[in-house]
Order: sequence, then structure tokens, then C-alpha cells
Amino acid sequence: EDKVVQSPLSLVVHEGDTVTLNCSYEVTNFRSLLWYKQEKKAPTFLFMLTSSGIEKKSGRLSSILDKKELFSILNITATQTGDSAIYLCAADGKYIFGTGTRLKVLA
Amino acid sequence: DVKVTQSSRYLVKRTGEKVFLECVQDMDHENMFWYRQDPGLGLRLIYFSYDVKMKEKGDIPEGYSVSREKKERFSLILESASTNQTSMYLCASTFGGAYTEAFFGQGTRLTVV
Repeated sequence: EDKVVQSPLSLVVHEGDTVTLNCSYEVTNFRSLLWYKQEKKAPTFLFMLTSSGIEKKSGRLSSILDKKELFSILNITATQTGDSAIYLCAADGKYIFGTGTRLKVLA
Repeated sequence: DVKVTQSSRYLVKRTGEKVFLECVQDMDHENMFWYRQDPGLGLRLIYFSYDVKMKEKGDIPEGYSVSREKKERFSLILESASTNQTSMYLCASTFGGAYTEAFFGQGTRLTVV
């Protein structure tokens, strides 16, 4: 059975902290790993990772994929209150999502 | 911009009612998905469709059915609504093939009383 697991389930940090969110997967016919951010409404796309070891970066967010160990991490540096959200990862194809990590950043 | 539109933002239905949730996308996407989202459980896949009249069960299809008569429209049907189907329902669509991001609708918050 395909599955995607995220950890931690929730996280509370203070502004300026750096956080690392984890996503592991066991998916047949894996093609890519995607990260989304969900605030109050629909998830919005952050990154798509297809190759091991190549970091994708957007501002304070970065992500990397390890296809040998079947996991990905999402890093957020210098966190801000606006980073508070649920972060979801998904495996492309059947689009199986993990449980999400709820991040709360305190001022 | 890609637009995925769900017909209702909020719905309240009674136990035993037949409920239709509609989703329309305007980007000629081949694939469409229905998820439900519950606290602590993430997005769970109910059904997906990769072509008109084609459907595949996801992880939690029990109590649901779907219909895709036209490429742009994917309907989720609760045959006989129950209180444990109270949830947020999200529709998504993608192009066919690999390496495609999903575009989501705004969600329908369904309450079954």
C-alpha cells in the first residue's frame, strides 16, 4: 500500500527559528515529491522534487529529496508568523498526501 | 490562471440524504481528485479520475461514488450521508503525465446532522 508519512505532526517555534519538516514515502511508480502550504483555504504549491540531492530554494524555504532513503525535507529559515500553516507533502502519480505538519510561529 | 471551482463553500445536510459535491476545472486537465481533510489525518484520497468516465478508488472510497461525464467536471456523491462524513472536501486537478503540480479548489465544508 502506498503511503506518505510526515513528521512532526505539529510544531511551535518562535520567530527567527529554523525548522525542518520531514516527509518519507513508500510509493510504487514514484516520479516526484511535492510540497504544499495550506493556510486557511486550498493548498498552494511550493516545490516539486524529482532528482536526489538537488536543492530547490525559494526565499527562506528550501527542500531536498533523497530517492535512495525515500524521504524529503523542507527547511524554513528565519521563520515569520506568516509561515504559520499546514505543510503537506505528496507523491506524484496517485497524489497520495501525508498527514501534514502544522507549524505555528509565535511572535 | 488555472481555476478549480467547487460548487459550495459550506453545506449542511441531514443524515441519509444523497449529497452531490461538484468540481469544475478550466484548464483541460486530464486528472481530477477528491480528498477529504480531517484534523490530524491530512488529505485522504477518496477517488480519482484520469479520463472521462474513468475512475479509480483511493484510500477511503466507502460511502462515496463519483461521476465524470465531461472532462472539466468531477462530481463526488455521498449516497446516504452519515455524520462521520462531516469533513472538509477538496477537489484537485492536474495535467496527465508525470511531474505535474496539483491545483486545488477552495474546499467544501460539509456538515451532516
